Amino acid sequence: EAQVTQNPRYLITVTGKKLTVTCSQNMNHEYMSWYRQDPGLGLRQIYYSMNVEVTDKGDVPEGYKVSRKEKRNFPLILESPSPNQTSLYFCASSSRTGGPYGYTFGSGTRLTVV
Amino acid sequence: KQEVTQIPAALSVPEGENLVLNCSFTDSAIYNLQWFRQDPGKGLTSLLLIQSSQREQTSGRLNASLDKSSGRSTLYIAASQPGDSATYLCAALPGDYKLSFGAGTTVTVRA
Repeated sequence: EAQVTQNPRYLITVTGKKLTVTCSQNMNHEYMSWYRQDPGLGLRQIYYSMNVEVTDKGDVPEGYKVSRKEKRNFPLILESPSPNQTSLYFCASSSRTGGPYGYTFGSGTRLTVV
Repeated sequence: KQEVTQIPAALSVPEGENLVLNCSFTDSAIYNLQWFRQDPGKGLTSLLLIQSSQREQTSGRLNASLDKSSGRSTLYIAASQPGDSATYLCAALPGDYKLSFGAGTTVTVRA
């Protein structure tokens, strides 16, 4: 089944404790992206990657890091989480090379930073 | 910058009524437009994808139209059911991959 898999689904952590949210897709998509969703603010892009070793900032990159060492994986790293990073996070992937060029989203990771 | 607007923000209808959800976008140079469904606290499920060369797409009770010249897309859901209650999001996809989402329309179908 074609899918984007995020782990963990739920995470509660303390301020300053480094964490990584993993994202993996099995569709050979070249494009991957991270979003956060907050009430009243909608979906906002954090980082995106056009291909392996190519990443760039989205609208709200502060406090986050990403890496793209393999085509299928795009982890989101919070090196020193703060309470304002409490949110629902989504990973997504897409392709321009194989059609139909839509986006596939993961099931989300609900992060709480206390 | 692409701005996507969805009207209305919320909609409540009795079961069986047809639903009409509107999406407008400011930049007509889109690659395609995608409609998603989101249940509370859950992920985004793709409903329909309309490529820029197409006028509409259909899947079961769902039909989405696209008018690039006027910057509008409409999602029709026929014979609504309580299970259709969710938030519906439209997203405009430009050539540079960066999705622009609307704020969504929250639908409640009353049994």
